[in-house]
Amino acid sequence: DVKVTQSSRYLVKRTGEKVFLECVQDMDHENMFWYRQDPGLGLRLIYFSYDVKMKEKGDIPEGYSVSREKKERFSLILESASTNQTSMYLCASSLTGAYNEQFFGPGTRLTVL
Amino acid sequence: AQSVTQLGSHVSVSEGALVLLRCNYSSSVPPYLFWYVQYPNQGLQLLLKYTSAATLVKGINGFEAEFKKSETSFHLTKPSAHMSDAAEYFCAVMETSYDKVIFGPGTSLSVIP
Repeated sequence: DVKVTQSSRYLVKRTGEKVFLECVQDMDHENMFWYRQDPGLGLRLIYFSYDVKMKEKGDIPEGYSVSREKKERFSLILESASTNQTSMYLCASSLTGAYNEQFFGPGTRLTVL
Repeated sequence: AQSVTQLGSHVSVSEGALVLLRCNYSSSVPPYLFWYVQYPNQGLQLLLKYTSAATLVKGINGFEAEFKKSETSFHLTKPSAHMSDAAEYFCAVMETSYDKVIFGPGTSLSVIP
């Protein structure tokens, strides 16, 4: 059974803290994605990676960075957390190719106080 | 750039009634289209996808969607709603470069007993 796991389901951090969100997939997928989900806005792409050490900015990369040192792991980093980064963060992975679906993790609900 | 609109952020139906969730896309080339479902406190999972093999696409849990090029639509239907169908539904279109997926804002489906 395919699996995408995220390091935490719920996370509470303080403004200015550095935050790491980890995502691991066990399907040998080339592509990995980080989204944030906010009510009424759907999913917005923060960053994605199509290979190890490769990354591309999505639609809302400001305030975030990513790291992909191994194929199965994709990390999202909030260098200095702010209250407007309170959100649900979803990780996904997929094979390369037009019809390939994305597989999602359960999400991390981050609250920045 | 491609985009997706979903008419109605919230839809309520009675148990046993027809479910119709609307999706329109903008694309200058033949699109790759998807419907995903998100149950409470879970990540997204694929319901169905349009691969150009047939305009009527059948998915899991009795859902289907019809691709209409002339209307640039990909509406999701189910003949008879079940309580377990209560969830958030996202229509999505894939960009051909880098396997990026553009998600609509989502429609929350409530099923009334």
